[in-house]
Amino acid sequence: EPEVTQTPSHQVTQMGQEVILRCVPISNHLYFYWYRQILGQKVEFLVSFYNNEISEKSEIFDDQFSVERPDGSNFTLKIRSTKLEDSAMYFCASSEDPGRTYEQYFGPGTRLTVT
Amino acid sequence: QKEVEQNSGPLSVPEGAIASLNCTYSDRGSQSFFWYRQYSGKSPELIMSIYSNGDKEDGRFTAQLNKASQYVSLLIRDSQPSDSATYLCAVKAGTASKLTFGTGTRLQVTL
Repeated sequence: EPEVTQTPSHQVTQMGQEVILRCVPISNHLYFYWYRQILGQKVEFLVSFYNNEISEKSEIFDDQFSVERPDGSNFTLKIRSTKLEDSAMYFCASSEDPGRTYEQYFGPGTRLTVT
Repeated sequence: QKEVEQNSGPLSVPEGAIASLNCTYSDRGSQSFFWYRQYSGKSPELIMSIYSNGDKEDGRFTAQLNKASQYVSLLIRDSQPSDSATYLCAVKAGTASKLTFGTGTRLQVTL
């Protein structure tokens, strides 16, 4: 069964450093998303991406965040200057053409620890 | 602020019983509703989607939607210890792409 994959599974970085989280969405999916979940809290939407551009973003997704689809398979989230409060699980998700279904499938996540 | 509310639990049910999980939402423009299961330290796993008022059944799971009452629920029949997890309710508004999640209800199925 096709699935979303993410790398790395765990990333430790120092405050102020840049990190890139990588995702390979399900191959025939057209919509891509990033969510995060701070330990013990709810899953929060960051950004959605469709047709090579940002479709929607939340207030959390400020100038320190960016997304990119560098090739036909990868989807990345870059955090330019990490802060302690960026420590969280980051989930990538994908969905088919929204005209067919809105179901979003999540990857296993990347645990980001900022020290 | 569009909210999705769930009782955090834990909801404890004996093995073989029916577990009933509830969710309310504030945005009347919400069109699509989802239940995800999340085991500790893992990612959300899609269980059910429901778009129309009424019931939708898939195996041991039944999702129920009442848009007038802004209420969606998940019933799990013949609960198993492996069903012990946190169940997340997620809602998508009409034109938005994002899902808004509740805090989840922790379900414990006891032997």
